[in-house]
Amino acid sequence: GAVVSQHPSWVICKSGTSVKIECRSLDFQATTMFWYRQFPKQSLMLMATSNEGSKATYEQGVEKDKFLINHASLTLSTLTVTSAHPEDSSFYICSARGTGAKTRRYGYTFGSGTRLTVV
Amino acid sequence: AQTVTQSQPEMSVQEAETVTLSCTYDTSESDYYLFWYKQPPSRQMILVIRQEAYKQQNATENRFSVNFQKAAKSFSLKISDSQLGDAAMYFCAWQADDKIIFGKGTRLHILP
Repeated sequence: GAVVSQHPSWVICKSGTSVKIECRSLDFQATTMFWYRQFPKQSLMLMATSNEGSKATYEQGVEKDKFLINHASLTLSTLTVTSAHPEDSSFYICSARGTGAKTRRYGYTFGSGTRLTVV
Repeated sequence: AQTVTQSQPEMSVQEAETVTLSCTYDTSESDYYLFWYKQPPSRQMILVIRQEAYKQQNATENRFSVNFQKAAKSFSLKISDSQLGDAAMYFCAWQADDKIIFGKGTRLHILP
């Protein structure tokens, strides 16, 4: 099937530091990637949509300067949480959409998520 | 604006029995997709089933089937012969172009 790898699966960082989360499509080209945030026992909240080679489109209320998204290649998107604070602690999930047979068959494929804890 | 509503925060079903999870949505789009995703304790989002809005035939995937009522904007998921491994959070989702809207989820418990 279509596989998306997200790394790291969990990370603890100190307040004020930056953390980078990677999302890779392993067996297809991801023309569009999505970043979600999920609070405990809640649904997924879309943070931003990124297309390869262009700037990400952020949802209303999401700070562009805090959550930097880069989609420099068709297989890799990164989310950098800058100057992290405890309130940024959450579960972050990426998903990817490509073109071609795998997308028609599997639609949007999700990474396994990253649990971020800021202390 | 599009919305997806799951009115059952939690449900329980006896193992081997059948359960139906409800989902309604609101949209003015004519061309869209509907999904059910499963999120087990590992939190990996797993696609259970999807339905193209232009197809009248209800999608089925083994023990999982949907009842898609386009006019009523209803998209329920039926799980037959429930298994312990079906215990998870289930999210209904609507998608058009590259916009996906998730419902708040239904937590499904399987009783042995």
